[in-house]
Formats: sequence, structure tokens, C-alpha cells
Amino acid sequence: EVQLLESGGGVAQPGGSLRLSCGASGFSFSTYAMSWVRQAPGKGLEWVSAISNYGTGTYYADSVKGRFTISRDNSKNTLYLQMNGLRAEDTAVYYCAKAFDSSGWRYERAFDFWGQGTMVTVSS
Amino acid sequence: QSALTQPASVSGSPGQSITISCTGTSSDIGTYNRVSWYQQHPGRVPKLLIYDVSDRPSGISDRFSGSKSVNTASLTISGLQAEDEADYFCSSQRIGSILLFGGGTKLTVL
Repeated sequence: EVQLLESGGGVAQPGGSLRLSCGASGFSFSTYAMSWVRQAPGKGLEWVSAISNYGTGTYYADSVKGRFTISRDNSKNTLYLQMNGLRAEDTAVYYCAKAFDSSGWRYERAFDFWGQGTMVTVSS
Repeated sequence: QSALTQPASVSGSPGQSITISCTGTSSDIGTYNRVSWYQQHPGRVPKLLIYDVSDRPSGISDRFSGSKSVNTASLTISGLQAEDEADYFCSSQRIGSILLFGGGTKLTVL
């Protein structure tokens, strides 16, 4: 059974930092691209970032480029999101999502499994 | 990046069919056949319904179907059931390795 478990959310001040983690199990983690998708309270989904299966390709939404860094450790089956320079508009539930495509890099095709999410609140 | 445009809400009676539209541009839906649709019940995580415009993952009912015309994708739900009441989101690849989501559509089953 595929499982994705996010952690690391919490409250941060504007300009502060947080590091999210997503532990994966039940599938060959190093085969698939992974993404972070966020959802502000009562709002829609917003794609944040993606990483290819071996980490050689990383991609970001304009809203987080230069502030967030995605990475992965395939030996630990774990995905990360380092968030710096946090802003109030970054407040959201952050989901870790597994790419549907097994090519290792086609994250944009679809996401077939999602974690339960971790809440990030940016407030002074 | 601007989100894809979806109607805020749609409604239908049990047994009826409804269609949710998702309008993009020639830089996303108009160029790529990488449109997917997700269902999200309140307090739950999104569930993949459709990928590659019209394909269904294993286990998804054939009551859900997808299509695309020029810059607009559509999700049709036939034989509407009470359990279909949820939020629905479309997604598309965009030029520049960007992924866009629609703003979401709330489906009410009357």
C-alpha cells in the first residue's frame, strides 16, 4: 500500500524558515518524480514544486522560486521542501504527491497518491 | 501563473449528467494533452479521476469521463450520485515546466 506521510509543518514568522519532509513507502520511491502541492484554507490547489526521480531536475512555481528548495534522499525514501523567506500567502496545507508516470520525470502528467498534508501557518 | 478557469459551482439531480469546464490558453491546455481531474471531499485528500485528458486510472467508475476542445477541457459525470458531491479540480501542464490547477468547482447533488 502506497503511503506518504508529511511532517515539519507549524507556525513561522514572516521571513522565517521551515523544512517539510515526506516519508514514502509501498512503492519504488526512486522510480518516480515527486511534487509538493499546497492548498490555502478554503481555497484551491496550487502546485509548488517538483523533482525528478534522481533529483537531477527540479521545478518551481513562480510564487516560490528563489525561496523554496525541493530535494530528496532516495536512500531514506524521503522528499523535502526547504522553505525560506516565508510570507503570509504561503499559509496552506502542504501535500506531498507521487507522480502517476513511471518515467521518473513526467510529474506534470498526474498525481495518483497524495499524503494527508501538513499545515504551515505564517504569522507574526 | 494564472490558474485555469473553472465555474465556482455546478449542480444536478441524482441520475442526471453534469459537465465541468476548465478553460486555459494555447500555452497549456491548447498545447498539451496532460489534463487531469481530481475529486476532493471535505477534509479529504484529492483523488485522481482522469489523466491525459480522458483516461481513467484503475478503479475509477466509467461514469467519469474527460474531453478537450482547443483550450478547454471538460469533466462529465453521468448518472449523478449523492456521493459525487465534492470539489473538482482540473490540472494542466504549461509551457516552461509549470503545472497549473483550476480554481475548483463545487458540485452539489440536489
